[in-house]
Amino acid sequence: DAKTTQPPSMDCAEGRAANLPCNHSTISGNEYVYWYRQIHSQGPQYIIHGLKNNETNEMASLIITEDRKSSTLILPHATLRDTAVYYCIVRGKDTGGFKTIFGAGTRLFVKA
Amino acid sequence: SAVISQKPSRDICQRGTSLTIQCQVDSQVTMMFWYRQQPGQSLTLIATANQGSEATYESGFVIDKFPISRPNLTFSTLTVSNMSPEDSSIYLCSVLSQSTHEQFFGPGTRLTVL
Repeated sequence: DAKTTQPPSMDCAEGRAANLPCNHSTISGNEYVYWYRQIHSQGPQYIIHGLKNNETNEMASLIITEDRKSSTLILPHATLRDTAVYYCIVRGKDTGGFKTIFGAGTRLFVKA
Repeated sequence: SAVISQKPSRDICQRGTSLTIQCQVDSQVTMMFWYRQQPGQSLTLIATANQGSEATYESGFVIDKFPISRPNLTFSTLTVSNMSPEDSSIYLCSVLSQSTHEQFFGPGTRLTVL
């Protein structure tokens, strides 16, 4: 089962920051938080990941709470092309080796 | 990054037949996976494709229905056997870079079973 909880959908105005929350209260010490997104009819695209420190790349920022039980993906200036389903995933090595289990995700609608 | 191609990109098949989907990666990778995405749903992991040994299947998926081959580190196939309309889905191949922790997905194969 997925170990994360996300709101099913969110709206964001174009040009504004989109803040997508994720709860992962059962995360274990060696598990990372990953974010992917899936634009309609395409395979999922990697966005960012982190362990306990905040991370930033050219696409987004990831803010992880100090207790690591929740995180927020920030798209600083959302565009219409950011409309997609965003998946928050926790993943660590298990006996099967780095399996990624997807939850339902958050459907983000960026509106003009 | 890894570039993944899948063949076919889409197909329409008759009930009771089988379809083999191919996945080719442009670099050697350790971890390869097959996912299914039913209409309007999230991705469901079918199995981990192991090079040189039998695939590791997730709960609800069995080898007789979804036989998987992985003859080398850049190629894998997934067969959907004895298809029914419930098998209509997008099937995605995925690879994981253990060095960078990035996971890449193929474009998917859209299967429609009539």
